[in-house]
Parts: sequence; structure tokens; C-alpha cells
Amino acid sequence: NAGVTQTPKFQVLKTGQSMTLQCAQDMNHNSMYWYRQDPGMGLRLIYYSASEGTTDKGEVPNGYNVSRLNKREFSLRLESAAPSQTSVYFCASCITGGTEAFFGQGTRLTVV
Amino acid sequence: GESVGLHLPTLSVQEGDNSIINCAYSNSASDYFIWYKQESGKGPQFIIDIRSNMDKRQGQRVTVLLNKTVKHLSLQIAATQPGDSAVYFCAENRGSNYKLTFGKGTLLTVNP
Repeated sequence: NAGVTQTPKFQVLKTGQSMTLQCAQDMNHNSMYWYRQDPGMGLRLIYYSASEGTTDKGEVPNGYNVSRLNKREFSLRLESAAPSQTSVYFCASCITGGTEAFFGQGTRLTVV
Repeated sequence: GESVGLHLPTLSVQEGDNSIINCAYSNSASDYFIWYKQESGKGPQFIIDIRSNMDKRQGQRVTVLLNKTVKHLSLQIAATQPGDSAVYFCAENRGSNYKLTFGKGTLLTVNP
């Protein structure tokens, strides 16, 4: 039982490059989330998915797209990376309406 | 380039003392308020939650208090230990859309 698995753990991109951050959970959770964490800013919600087939914008969705591929997987895509997207990205999952979200180990992304 | 410093609120306590971490919230429509702990280099971990119609809930060495009149949430940690050193976040679960949002966090340092 791995919980929430994120790949990659580290990534360096050049401005304008694209990439997809992968997230998978094996807890049969309906709800999944993508957050970014910047120093002094806490965790900010980018997108979330209440269930398979649905996605909604969070606080900071600009510059990102998501895909809820199936119940297990929720990916985050940066189409044209910008230095302002340098951050640590966390994926999380939760039961429907639950409060105990389980987080992955994070992806540290640097855009140069 | 200029680096961005960490500007989290901080709390420093002696080992064995009690700690109180505070959080103000703005949305009265939240169904649950939750506390998470984040150790360095890891994703946040659930500690305890409280439903919005309650004013106190106790767990193992932790107590959460909710004051809806002044929109204030606190986490009390009894007999604080070095392993409690971490960043603590309050979060809200906003009901029907299952949106889980976080506050900015407080850095707790426990001195031996």
C-alpha cells in the first residue's frame, strides 16, 4: 500500500518547456487535489477533482491544466513553464467529503 | 537574484511545555476545520479535525478549540516534544464541493 505517489521528485525546466506531473493513489479515494507550496505562502490549491470525470479550479489555476485519467490518477500539466511556477507541488487524495487528506512526497520544480 | 525568505509566524517553546498555535479563518460556511503537521521535506499529515458545530475536540496530546464568534481556531499540544517541531497548518473543508484549503502555517520549534 503505497498511498499517494508523485513523479518526478525533482525537475528543472527551461522557460517555455512543458511537462506533466504524475500522481497516483491506491486508497480508492474519490477526491484528489494539486497544491503548490511557496515559502511563506503555505499551500495554495491549484485544481481539484471531487470524483472521476470532474475537475474544478482552485485558487491559482492559471498556467496549469489537469486530467483525472481514472479514479487512481490525477495529472498536472504545465504547457509553457514560467519562472513564477518554480515551487514544490503536492498531490493529495481524500475520501468524499473527508478531512484526512493524504499527501505525496512532493515534486520540487525549478523553472530557469 | 534576490531570495525569498520564509515569513511564517513562528513559535518557540521548551520541551515539556504546552504549545498553542492559532489560526483565524474568514469563511463561516466551512463544514470542518482541520490541523495538519508538515515536517521538513515531507508532505502535510493530518492531526485532528473539528466539525463546525463543535467548540472543542481532544485527541492524543492535542486539543482543538473553535470559536465561531471571532472566527478563531487553535491547536493546543500538551507536553511538547522535539518531534513536534514542524510547520502546522489549519485548513477548511467547504462541504458540497469538497474543496480543501489551507492557511499559511506556523513554524513550531521545540528547544530541548
